Amino acid sequence: DGGITQSPKYLFRKEGQNVTLSCEQNLNHDAMYWYRQDPGQGLRLIYYSQIVNDFQKGDIAEGYSVSREKKESFPLTVTSAQKNPTAFYLCASSIGQGSNYGYTFGSGTRLTVV
Amino acid sequence: SQQGEEDPQALSIQEGENATMNCSYKTSINNLQWYRQNSGRGLVHLILIRSNEREKHSGRLRVTLDTSKKSSSLLITASRAADTASYFCATDGNTGGFKTIFGAGTRLFVKA
Repeated sequence: DGGITQSPKYLFRKEGQNVTLSCEQNLNHDAMYWYRQDPGQGLRLIYYSQIVNDFQKGDIAEGYSVSREKKESFPLTVTSAQKNPTAFYLCASSIGQGSNYGYTFGSGTRLTVV
Repeated sequence: SQQGEEDPQALSIQEGENATMNCSYKTSINNLQWYRQNSGRGLVHLILIRSNEREKHSGRLRVTLDTSKKSSSLLITASRAADTASYFCATDGNTGGFKTIFGAGTRLFVKA
């Protein structure tokens, strides 16, 4: 079945550590996105990528980095510069512009700082 | 910046009743989408309605759009306990199709 796979489901990070969240899709979608969700809030865009080897900053990119070396993969690194990383992270993909066709989401990664 | 804002923040109903959630936004849009999120899971796309459409149906879901009032509503008829989830509206506006703004959501609880 086609879909988006995020791993791990739960991730614990120590202070000062970088961690990488995985996102893989087999939908042949061109565009991929990373969103952050905090309790009781909507989703905020971190980064998005329209094509391979290209990505754009979203509204809250500081302290995060991404790469898009393959169409299927869009990993997100939460760096030590991100001072409040505890949140639920969602990866999504879309055919072309997601606002025109809708987004397919993964099941999320819950990141906690310990 | 524009934003979809859902109302109410939380809604509790009995199984079999209808549930209505509203979304308001600030600037003109091309499309508006509704999503559902079960606790601790990703969002699932429900319906996309374009700015030139006034109403769309999908099974027990009915979405209306009033661009003059900058508002949309999601109606779930004959609700079931399995409909318990958070529901989000998402708008794009005319700022470019790769940036969509999600509201904070309505938490729906359907009691069996």
